[in-house]
Parts: sequence; structure tokens; C-alpha cells
Amino acid sequence: SQTIHQWPATLVQPVGSPLSLECTVEGTSNPNLYWYRQAAGRGLQLLFYSVGIGQISSEVPQNLSASRPQDRQFILSSKKLLLSDSGFYLCAWTPARGEQFFGPGTRLTVL
Amino acid sequence: RKEVEQDPGPFNVPEGATVAFNCTYSNSASQSFFWYRQDCRKEPKLLMSVYSSGNEDGRFTAQLNRASQYISLLIRDSKLSDSATYLCVVNRGPGGTSYGKLTFGQGTILTVHP
Repeated sequence: SQTIHQWPATLVQPVGSPLSLECTVEGTSNPNLYWYRQAAGRGLQLLFYSVGIGQISSEVPQNLSASRPQDRQFILSSKKLLLSDSGFYLCAWTPARGEQFFGPGTRLTVL
Repeated sequence: RKEVEQDPGPFNVPEGATVAFNCTYSNSASQSFFWYRQDCRKEPKLLMSVYSSGNEDGRFTAQLNRASQYISLLIRDSKLSDSATYLCVVNRGPGGTSYGKLTFGQGTILTVHP
């Protein structure tokens, strides 16, 4: 069966520090991968999606970037965090054009 | 108009009650529809897909009205464990840059009390 992992689970970082969040998927190949952010009390906002290695599309202009160095690895990064980057970051995968399955998420607090 | 709109609630119901959630979507090209459930501080989890003919999974019934661009979720015999936020989710349509992308509603909060 397929599983999706994210780490770290929680992170507290100062403003201006770098960020690297990792997501890996097991038990499948060539999945579509997605990064979402959920701010406190808000809905899910799609940040990036990837249909293959090295292929990244950005949904909204922002302080973040994404990379997909391997088929089942998706990384979310920032060079300098802003206060507004705080939130719950979720990685998701889909085998096709249907439902998406989420990882456990990373809760980021920028101070 | 938001792409996916839900009544945010909260809905507070006693155990055993029947509760219905409604959702409307604006993109007539959408082809796939889902209900997710999200517990506090957890990731969303797929509750059920929604099919044109309507579908049922135990105490949960989902309906889709394409003409009205309306989706519903009915929960019968509510349990305490049903307390969560319910997210209405719609795909953005076939092909092109919309491929595989989902739009999430803001969610409806349900609290089931003893």
C-alpha cells in the first residue's frame, strides 16, 4: 500500500532563517505531488505541484520554492522565512486525476 | 464568487441526529467531487467520492446535482467521533493546467455532543 511521509512534524524558526520541508511517498511510482499551506482558520491553498522529476509548477507568487529531485521526493524550501509563512504545510499525492491523499503535515511557526 | 462555497457552521447536534451539509461550486467544467474530513490539527482525509447517481457509505450519503452545481453530504445517526471539519472538494476540470488540481472549500465544522 502507499504511504506518504513528511518531516519534521513541527518546526519553530526565526524570521529570515532558511526552510526545508521534505515529503516522500512509498509504494507508488510517478505520482503527481502537491504542496499546500493551511493558515490558521483558513482553507487549503495550493502552493506547488509536480508531475515528474524536475517539473515544478507554482500556483501563487510567494517566498517559497519547491523541488523534486527524485520520483517520490518533494521538497519545499525558502531562503528567508517571513512571519506570514507560518502555517500547516501539507504534501499530497494522487495516482491519477482523482482524489488526493495527504501526509501528516508540518506545523511551521515563524517568530 | 468563491470557487467552492460551504456554510462554515458550526453545526452542533446531539448524538443520533441527522445532519446535512451543502456545497456549491462555480466551475461547470469540474468532473470529480469529494468530501474530506479534517480533525483538529490533522491532515484532511478522504471521506468519500461523490458520483452523479449519488452514493452511500454506511451512515454517509453524498449527492451531486450538476445542473445546480451543488453537492451535499448527509450524516445519519451522528456519533461523537463524527465531530470534525468537513471539506467539500472539487477538481478544476479536465486537461491543461487544471489537470489533477483540486479546489477545497473552507470547511463546515461539526460538533456532535452527548
